[in-house]
Amino acid sequence: EAQVTQNPRYLITVTGKKLTVTCSQNMNHEYMSWYRQDPGLGLRQIYYSMNVEVTDKGDVPEGYKVSRKEKRNFPLILESPSPNQTSLYFCASTPGVAYNSPLHFGNGTRLTVT
Amino acid sequence: KNEVEQSPQNLTAQEGEFITINCSYSVGISALHWLQQHPGGGIVSLFMLSSGKKKHGRLIATINIQEKHSSLHITASHPRDSAVYICAVRFENYGGSQGNLIFGKGTKLSVKP
Repeated sequence: EAQVTQNPRYLITVTGKKLTVTCSQNMNHEYMSWYRQDPGLGLRQIYYSMNVEVTDKGDVPEGYKVSRKEKRNFPLILESPSPNQTSLYFCASTPGVAYNSPLHFGNGTRLTVT
Repeated sequence: KNEVEQSPQNLTAQEGEFITINCSYSVGISALHWLQQHPGGGIVSLFMLSSGKKKHGRLIATINIQEKHSSLHITASHPRDSAVYICAVRFENYGGSQGNLIFGKGTKLSVKP
């Protein structure tokens, strides 16, 4: 089944403890991206990747890192999480921006930083 | 400034009504997405538009490039259509970035039986 898989679904951690949220897609998509969703602010893009080894900042990249070593995986890394990073996170993929294709979203990761 | 505005913010309808949700943006775009998010939180892509009109079942999406405006219509609405509908735009020139998506704040739709 074609899908975007995010893990974990729920994560509670403490300030400063490094964490990684994984994202994997099995559709051979070139484009992958990360978003956070907050009440009143809606969805905002954190980072995106147009292809392997190509990443770029979105609107709210501060405090996050990403890597794209292989096409299927696009992990989101929080080196030193802070409470203001408590949010609902989504990963998404699409064949490529040139194709103007629909986005495929993961199920989301609800992160709480205390 | 590259902005995306959605209206209305909240919408309550009776089952069977025709519904319209609007999305306006500030400058030229290369693509516009309509997304649906149910109360459980998952996000589903409904349409991707760069011009014209698309239809899928009871849902119709239109875009007017000259007026920088898109609409999502739901015909014969049903309680299962209750969700948040989100417009997302990829601007033609967003600081040189081709891959950035800007989102509207969403329209919360509630369809009563």
